[in-house]
Amino acid sequence: AQKITQTQPGMFVQEKEAVTLDCTYDTSDPSYGLFWYKQPSSGEMIFLIYQGSYDQQNATEGRYSLNFQKARKSANLVISASQLGDSAMYFCAMREGWGTGNQFYFGTGTSLTVIP
Amino acid sequence: NAGVTQTPKFQVLKTGQSMTLQCAQDMNHEYMSWYRQDPGMGLRLIHYSVGAGITDQGEVPNGYNVSRSTTEDFPLRLLSAAPSQTSVYFCASSYSYQGTYEQYFGPGTRLTVT
Repeated sequence: AQKITQTQPGMFVQEKEAVTLDCTYDTSDPSYGLFWYKQPSSGEMIFLIYQGSYDQQNATEGRYSLNFQKARKSANLVISASQLGDSAMYFCAMREGWGTGNQFYFGTGTSLTVIP
Repeated sequence: NAGVTQTPKFQVLKTGQSMTLQCAQDMNHEYMSWYRQDPGMGLRLIHYSVGAGITDQGEVPNGYNVSRSTTEDFPLRLLSAAPSQTSVYFCASSYSYQGTYEQYFGPGTRLTVT
């Protein structure tokens, strides 16, 4: 089974609108972390936001927020007030376990296009 | 801080050739990883290290070797290149800050095997 599933290969959003990128995950470990990364056309991977499995509140970082629904195993990224520079690939990732450090699993990504 | 550096940026190999992709970080991070990124596949973990002298296999380790003799360096060796190893390779480092293990990525190496 896939550890991370991103079901939206491509998304379009109007500039200044909000957009939600979906991510579901699969783990039986009670300790895990969820991440979102942005990959612009230049290719670098940019960390956006993190949510720990024990965190009570949804994570927020500026215009990014993570809608964490633990029972549904979903960790959707919400981008508010979209900007043209938000056009990029977005990857959801999960780290399983505590102390493992580097067993990360990535989804296949969602390509977001912001329309002026 | 230079962060995570990777060399070379681009490389073309012939089938059967060997080479080493270099990765270095100057942040004193304990954890380092190698990923490959293929179209439509996301990033897949090849090998990782939790400290100098300690390495382990990830999801797709076949055809690759790693070693970690220092905290700073984590080279990836392709033993006998195959066209299936054509990909973009990312090195990443991380540390355990309150359990977050946020990863810092290098700029990537685009490898083509003909």
